[in-house]
Amino acid sequence: QQQVKQSPQSLIVQKGGIPIINCAYENTAFDYFPWYQQFPGKGPALLIAIRPDVSEKKEGRFTISFNKSAKQFSLHIMDSQPGDSATYFCARGNFNKFYFGSGTKLNVKP
Amino acid sequence: NAGVTQTPKFRVLKTGQSMTLLCAQDMNHEYMYWYRQDPGMGLRLIHYSVGEGTTAKGEVPDGYNVSRLKKQNFLLGLESAAPSQTSVYFCASSRTGNQPQHFGDGTRLSIL
Repeated sequence: QQQVKQSPQSLIVQKGGIPIINCAYENTAFDYFPWYQQFPGKGPALLIAIRPDVSEKKEGRFTISFNKSAKQFSLHIMDSQPGDSATYFCARGNFNKFYFGSGTKLNVKP
Repeated sequence: NAGVTQTPKFRVLKTGQSMTLLCAQDMNHEYMYWYRQDPGMGLRLIHYSVGEGTTAKGEVPDGYNVSRLKKQNFLLGLESAAPSQTSVYFCASSRTGNQPQHFGDGTRLSIL
């Protein structure tokens, strides 16, 4: 059972563009929504996280938007840079278990 | 500050062989997790532990066993390896279940 649906699977933007990655979920019994960034050969690293009582959270160039009624949350990367090229995973979790999206491979071209 | 360390980093096995993957964390975290990562499928939880001496099944536990004899270590065992278990395995730890998970750099396992 897929707990989180992530899109798009891959994304190419020019430097300075604003890539947007979307995730949708079904079950509401979760209260923690982190985003992870993964570079080739490395493990995922926490990028930013949000709880459903907050509609938006910014950390540097990264912003999470959360729409509880639509059961969706999104990651925006402002002024994207080639160094942001990586695979991004959304996740949802509560207490013991986390469910991850299938990942979005982002390529930021110089 | 090592964080989460996984050994080995690479391994090739033959079908039917057994092996153990080791995960060690130095952050005094209570919770530890084992995931597998396959192309297009994200990370799937195999087993997890909420404290020393405890283990529980995750989303895809079949064919794997785990042990948490010490708080800092979480072992993942494959008793009889199958080609379907070819994957990248990640260990993670967190202070509690609702806290960020810290990941190791993975073990790349191929089963021929």
